[in-house]
Amino acid sequence: QVQLQESGPGLVKPSETLSLTCTVSGDSFTYYVWSWIRQSPGKGFEWIGYIASSGHTSYNPSLKSRVTISQDLSRKQLSLQVRSVTAADAAVYYCARTGFSGYYVVDHWGQGTLVAVTS
Amino acid sequence: DIQMTQSPSTLSASVGDRVSITCRASQSVDTLLAWYQQKPGKPPNLLVYKASTLQSGVPSRFNGSGSGTEFTLTISSLQPDDSATYHCQQYDTLTSFGQGTRLEIK
Repeated sequence: QVQLQESGPGLVKPSETLSLTCTVSGDSFTYYVWSWIRQSPGKGFEWIGYIASSGHTSYNPSLKSRVTISQDLSRKQLSLQVRSVTAADAAVYYCARTGFSGYYVVDHWGQGTLVAVTS
Repeated sequence: DIQMTQSPSTLSASVGDRVSITCRASQSVDTLLAWYQQKPGKPPNLLVYKASTLQSGVPSRFNGSGSGTEFTLTISSLQPDDSATYHCQQYDTLTSFGQGTRLEIK
């Protein structure tokens, strides 16, 4: 059974960079597409982007200039960086497995990690 | 961007009731629509994809229908465990989610 676990600081200062890691266990990392999605009370779910095993990435146009998703195949990890954060970036951040039905349908989610943005 | 609008925002029903949740897209998404169930403090759980295909392991009382711009998630006989928030997601053009429908059991 695949498991996804997000990790990273729960608190980030405005204008700094938010960095999260997701570790995947129990399944093939290279067969699927892996995504980051966030959920905030005000905006609901927002897709951030995905990375395929080839390294191909796709980002939400509204975040593209500030976001980088990368992967470490040997460690079965994906990472997220969001630069120049503001209060609007405060959310629960999920890593997610997609790719079984297109690039966006999620069949497995991490438990999520809450990120607050405050000085 | 494709906007997804769910109705109602909140729904209260009794065990055994048949309930329906509607999701409308601001433009056609064909049948590229998924439904998720989310309980408090937990990540969502995929119920339906491609508008009407039930994900493996999901009880048959859940049914998805629709195409184009209007979609419905129906629960045929409500169970206590169905108390949750339900979200729709289009994946025809990038992806976007509805704002959620909170289902309460009376």
